[in-house]
Amino acid sequence: DVKVTQSSRYLVKRTGEKVFLECVQDMDHENMFWYRQDPGLGLRLIYFSYDVKMKEKGDIPEGYSVSREKKERFSLILESASTNQTSMYLCASSPGTSGSRYNEQFFGPGTRLTVL
Amino acid sequence: GNSVTQMEGPVTLSEEAFLTINCTYTATGYPSLFWYVQYPGEGLQLLLKATKADDKGSNKGFEATYRKETTSFHLEKGSVQVSDSAVYFCARAGGYQKVTFGTGTKLQVIP
Repeated sequence: DVKVTQSSRYLVKRTGEKVFLECVQDMDHENMFWYRQDPGLGLRLIYFSYDVKMKEKGDIPEGYSVSREKKERFSLILESASTNQTSMYLCASSPGTSGSRYNEQFFGPGTRLTVL
Repeated sequence: GNSVTQMEGPVTLSEEAFLTINCTYTATGYPSLFWYVQYPGEGLQLLLKATKADDKGSNKGFEATYRKETTSFHLEKGSVQVSDSAVYFCARAGGYQKVTFGTGTKLQVIP
């Protein structure tokens, strides 16, 4: 089974802190994604990556950056956390260009971030 | 752009009731369509998918049919159980293998 793990289930940070959220997948997937999930808004894509060192902005990239130095790891960075970034953050991966399941996304358990 | 609209919840049903959660999508191209489920405290997991018109996806008693003429992908189950209580997300594939999700529908099944 594909496993997507996230570094923390719960995180509490202060306004202005730099925050790192880590995501690791173990199935050699090409694509990785970061979403935030808020009540009434569903999932919104922050950034995604379709290859090592490649990144693309999603729908709400402002205030975030990402890093993908290795294929299995995709990090989300909040350069200066703000209270409006309090949310549930979900990481996902998908296989990529080959196979019948190429666009199916596999999710981690999520990190609930609170910014005080 | 790509979008998915699904019925708002919460939906509360008694055990063994029939479930329908409506979903419509924008018709740009011929996207794959998905239903994902999120159980309390967990990430999303794929429930079922359909890749072309008239395909029926099914899993765990849930079904959804890709209707191109009505741009719909409604989720159905004939007899829900308490263990089906979760949030259900309709989604469509887009470019760069991105997926656009609906806002989610919370289902609560009471004994």
